[in-house]
Amino acid sequence: EAAVTQSPRSKVAVTGGKVTLSCHQTNNHDYMYWYRQDTGHGLRLIHYSYVADSTEKGDIPDGYKASRPSQENFSLILELASLSQTAVYFCASSGGQANTGQLYFGEGSKLTVL
Amino acid sequence: GDSVTQTEGLVTLTKGLPVMLNCTYQTTYSPFLFWYVQHLNEAPKLLLKSSTDNKRTEHQGFYATLHKSSSSFHLQKSSVQLSDSALYFCALSDLLTSGGNYKPTFGKGTSLVVHP
Repeated sequence: EAAVTQSPRSKVAVTGGKVTLSCHQTNNHDYMYWYRQDTGHGLRLIHYSYVADSTEKGDIPDGYKASRPSQENFSLILELASLSQTAVYFCASSGGQANTGQLYFGEGSKLTVL
Repeated sequence: GDSVTQTEGLVTLTKGLPVMLNCTYQTTYSPFLFWYVQHLNEAPKLLLKSSTDNKRTEHQGFYATLHKSSSSFHLQKSSVQLSDSALYFCALSDLLTSGGNYKPTFGKGTSLVVHP
């Protein structure tokens, strides 16, 4: 079974503070993604990566940075957190020899910015 | 670029009735189509996937058929249950045919609410 784990699962941050969300996968997948979900709404792609030490901008990258130091790890960094970044963040991976593009999601990280 | 359209934002049904959630897509390539389901306070998880034209795929009572002629992959169930209440996302990937630097494309999602 594919495994993607996120930490922290929940975080309260202050406006202007720095937040780092971490994601670890044991699937040996090349692709990793960070999505944002606002309550009751869809998934919006923030950043993604298809190889270690390289990241790509998604559809809503402003205010976020990403880091992929290894195949297994992918972090999302909010240098100056803002109220509007309160949301649930999902990490996902895809890949493998028969890669269909199926995403395997982590459990989510609920971020509240006060 | 690729796009996925889900026309219903909210579908409300009584238990036991059939349901169809619409999904149409646009892509230059030959895609994989997916349905993901997300229950309240959980992560999305795969419900169905397909890349084969005109072949029905089924899982947990849900089924869908990819029709490349009409670029559609509608999700159906013959009798909905209370536990089917969730967010449903249609998505496509064209990883295998488009090459690298790939990102999946999601629809906006359909919220299914089943009443007793």
